[in-house]
Amino acid sequence: DGGITQSPKYLFRKEGQNVTLSCEQNLNHDAMYWYRQDPGQGLRLIYYSQIVNDFQKGDIAEGYSVSREKKESFPLTVTSAQKNPTAFYLCASRRGHLLDTQYFGPGTRLTVL
Amino acid sequence: AQKITQTQPGMFVQEKEAVTLDCTYDTSDPSYGLFWYKQPSSGEMIFLIYQGSYDQQNATEGRYSLNFQKARKSANLVISASQLGDSAMYFCAMREAGETSGSRLTFGEGTQLTVNP
Repeated sequence: DGGITQSPKYLFRKEGQNVTLSCEQNLNHDAMYWYRQDPGQGLRLIYYSQIVNDFQKGDIAEGYSVSREKKESFPLTVTSAQKNPTAFYLCASRRGHLLDTQYFGPGTRLTVL
Repeated sequence: AQKITQTQPGMFVQEKEAVTLDCTYDTSDPSYGLFWYKQPSSGEMIFLIYQGSYDQQNATEGRYSLNFQKARKSANLVISASQLGDSAMYFCAMREAGETSGSRLTFGEGTQLTVNP
């Protein structure tokens, strides 16, 4: 089945450790996105990538890093510089046209202890 | 900058009745897109319906319809014949125009809908 997968579903890390969240899609979508959601709030854009080997910062990129070495993969690293990393992280993808809809993966809930 | 406002933190509706979830937006771009997503307790964001700024007719998808009033900058979601499975968080979102924006979405803070039996 085609879709977007995120792993793991739940992730626990100690404060000060870097952690990488996985996002994979087999929809042949060109663009991919990372959003962060805090309890009771909407989504905020962290990073996005429209083509392989290229990505742009969103509204809250500080303390995060990404790579886009393959079309189907867009991993997000939460670094120790992120002051409040505990949140729900959602990955999304979109076909090539700018007017196409973004579709989301199931999300990863990160808890930093 | 674009902004989405959802003024109803929580809404309640009886099963089989219709409900309207409010969304107002602010943008200076003449070309934009408006989306509604559903987020059940599992967390996944499910796309429901889309309205383009130049679309002449209101969008409909099954039991979902979008009441688009461009002059008032509102894009309310109407759910007809509510079902218990409609209980979830609902988000309104706007897509920025232009190639440099990457088609990014700006989200409102959401409305928690509860359908009562």
